[in-house]
Amino acid sequence: GAVVSQHPSRVICKSGTSVKIECRSLDFQATTMFWYRQFPKQSLMLMATSNEGSKATYEQGVEKDKFLINHASLTLSTLTVTSAHPEDSSFYICSAHTGSSSYEQYFGPGTRLTVT
Amino acid sequence: AQSVTQPDIHITVSEGASLELRCNYSYGATPYLFWYVQSPGQGLQLLLKYFSGDTLVQGIKGFEAEFKRSQSSFNLRKPSVHWSDAAEYFCAVLTSNTGNQFYFGTGTSLTVIP
Repeated sequence: GAVVSQHPSRVICKSGTSVKIECRSLDFQATTMFWYRQFPKQSLMLMATSNEGSKATYEQGVEKDKFLINHASLTLSTLTVTSAHPEDSSFYICSAHTGSSSYEQYFGPGTRLTVT
Repeated sequence: AQSVTQPDIHITVSEGASLELRCNYSYGATPYLFWYVQSPGQGLQLLLKYFSGDTLVQGIKGFEAEFKRSQSSFNLRKPSVHWSDAAEYFCAVLTSNTGNQFYFGTGTSLTVIP
């Protein structure tokens, strides 16, 4: 089956620094990737949608200059949290869509970001 | 606007008992419906999905769900719960007219007691 990986699985960074999270589709080409944020005991909140080779579409309230998304290839999307602050600490999950008519998305295992 | 409601924030059941997790959606047409399970600190695992056809769908780990159009519901069921089923369960709706965007419910946390 389709597998999506995320790297790193956990990251701790200091306030003011930037951190990059990678999302890779391992055995399929993902025309669209999605980035979600999940707060403790809460549901997933869609942050942005990225299509290969084009700019990401951000959801209302998500700062595009803070959460930089790059979808450089059909198998890789990156989320960079710039000038991180403790309130950015969260669980970030990506998903990938193959573009087929099945509409199914495959989710990565998530990245736990802690900003100290 | 599309929305997904999971009325039960937390459910506790005894091991071996039956389980039903509720999910209601608000959408003009028949959406694509999914149930995912998430263990602590983990990503989402697909349990089952409904696109069309038979309204009773079977999933992995002995789960099933029934789509009821008249009630706008897609409840998840399992006849006999195992301790390993303790996790967070999310119902999700996919709308093809908004760029394949998922809408997730708020989740139901399942505790299984011996």
